Amino acid sequence: GNSVTQMEGPVTLSEEAFLTINCTYTATGYPSLFWYVQYPGEGLQLLLKATKADDKGSNKGFEATYRKETTSFHLEKGSVQVSDSAVYFCALSPYSSASKIIFGSGTRLSIRP
Amino acid sequence: GAVVSQHPSWVICKSGTSVKIECRSLDFQATTMFWYRQFPKQSLMLMATSNEGSKATYEQGVEKDKFLINHASLTLSTLTVTSAHPEDSSFYICSATRGASGSSLDIQYFGAGTRLSVL
Repeated sequence: GNSVTQMEGPVTLSEEAFLTINCTYTATGYPSLFWYVQYPGEGLQLLLKATKADDKGSNKGFEATYRKETTSFHLEKGSVQVSDSAVYFCALSPYSSASKIIFGSGTRLSIRP
Repeated sequence: GAVVSQHPSWVICKSGTSVKIECRSLDFQATTMFWYRQFPKQSLMLMATSNEGSKATYEQGVEKDKFLINHASLTLSTLTVTSAHPEDSSFYICSATRGASGSSLDIQYFGAGTRLSVL
């Protein structure tokens, strides 16, 4: 079946530190992969996505590369800011983003000034 | 950007009562709306998918008579938890999409969620 496993949190970093949140997936076929972010008191927002192997999704300084050989989609950012504090969800969709989305359990990120 | 509003954000009810949660797309027409449930420190689990004017499609294991979904218009879907019990306490999240599957508008926009506590 389809599933997503992501790094457990919480993760606490200092401002300007390098961030990696690991995500691996299990899927049949060729899923689309996503990172969603949830800021305090708000709904989940799509942060970035990749729809095929070797695609790199990027947004707001965050990047993730669709690695089929390692079934991974790790989220990275070179220099985090306090405003990046949020919960991050890795997710996949077997077909397209408007169909079923299977989420990881979320990783809470806190950035210290 | 597209905004999805959920109401209420938090509700407490007595066991045996019914609770209605609203999900509205504020600035777009939603062709499809989704309802999720999230337990503490766990993933969002899809409960059902609804299209305006038709019956919702429920995921395996979700009781359709327990969780009634009405998608009466292109901007409103409601989830009613009937005869709620403490085990129904959870965080319920809706999302909406405005485009056909595979189109450039094919993105889910999420509400902020509703926390239900059943006493």
